[in-house]
Order: sequence, then C-alpha cells, then structure tokens
Amino acid sequence: QQPVQSPQAVILREGEDAVINCSSSKALYSVHWYRQKHGEAPVFLMILLKGGEQKGHEKISASFNEKKQQSSLYLTASQLSYSGTYFCGTTSGTYKYIFGTGTRLKVLA
Amino acid sequence: DTAVSQTPKYLVTQMGNDKSIKCEQNLGHDTMYWYKQDSKKFLKIMFSYNNKELIINETVPNRFSPKSPDKAHLNLHINSLELGDSAVYFCASSQETGKNTGELFFGEGSRLTVL
Repeated sequence: QQPVQSPQAVILREGEDAVINCSSSKALYSVHWYRQKHGEAPVFLMILLKGGEQKGHEKISASFNEKKQQSSLYLTASQLSYSGTYFCGTTSGTYKYIFGTGTRLKVLA
Repeated sequence: DTAVSQTPKYLVTQMGNDKSIKCEQNLGHDTMYWYKQDSKKFLKIMFSYNNKELIINETVPNRFSPKSPDKAHLNLHINSLELGDSAVYFCASSQETGKNTGELFFGEGSRLTVL
C-alpha cells in the first residue's frame, strides 16, 4: 500500500543530476514531495495536484503521471545541500496520509 | 513562533516503563498525525485526528494511546515500553481540502530509546 520509491539510495557528485521515482498501486489524486535532512524533520518541497502537472522549486522539479500512478522528482545540478532522504507522500483515504519508502541521496563535493 | 512543537526531543527509558510525548500546533489546522520513523527511515502513519476526533488507528498496539484535548494538541502516551518501540516519533498537522491533503508541517521529532 505504501508507494514504492526508486532508487533506494543514490550518490552524486556536485553538479550531477538525479531522478527519483514514486509508484503507487492505488490511484493518486495528488503527490507531495518532502526532503528530510539527517536528524531533522521532513520539509515540504512541492505538491502536484493534476495529472501531468509539472512544478519547479529552484533546480528541483517534479512531474505527475496520474494514469501511470507515478511521480518523479528531478534534481538538476545537485548541490551539497540537496543531501538527505526524499519522500513522496499521498492521501490514502480520508485523513490518512502516507509516505513512500524513501530515497537516500548523498551529494559529494 | 514554532508552528508544530513536540516535547521532549529525547527520551531514554527502561523496558516496561510508561512515557508521554506532547504535541501542539499553532497553525489552526484541523488534522494532526503521529508518525513513527524506524532505523530504516520508513515513515509509518500511526494515528490521525480531525477536530480532536480519532480517524485513523493504523493497527497500532493498544499500549499506544493518543489523546487530543482540542484540535491544537495531540499527545501520545505509551505504556509498557518494549525494545521495538525505539524510534523517532513525529507529530504533524495539515489542512484537508476534499480529497487532497495540504502540506504537512512536522514537529522536530522525539527520539525514544528503550533499553
């Protein structure tokens, strides 16, 4: 039931790009993306409400394919500050908000 | 002002003890949650409350008892602590809009260690 993210972990050099995928076995009405730095709480990055919608946040953008029940997060020209664990999240029933399995991203200098 | 605050930040205790974690939000949100994050970093929903009413209890052992005295507060009491309860517990709040959940705001987390 929990959305599955891939890859589980990725290591990048500064300036490289990465894609994180989120797949659900259930219909998605909306997808959120969060980043959690080590020892901190998750922080909201963006929400995608419509199928096919793409949104951007600095050099981080995302797409949402409602038909495929998937969302992808794109990190361009990664910076050291991008390191952390990324989660997709979605509503799974009334007042039930669940998170994906998480993707650990480490950016090296 | 901190939007969602939870206390304490750290708890270290012995098996069998009882402990409580408090959470307060000043965002005026209707919905509050408790999540458990284990060592593998999975964020698992435990409970959700809407306007101080329990909505979701995600097959959590009844040793865990949430209480919401009003819609701004959601506390978590844990009885007879077990080793497997060691984790970081996050409180969060959001505003629901129909089928969609608004952005979740998280507390700093409470790291529980059971010895």
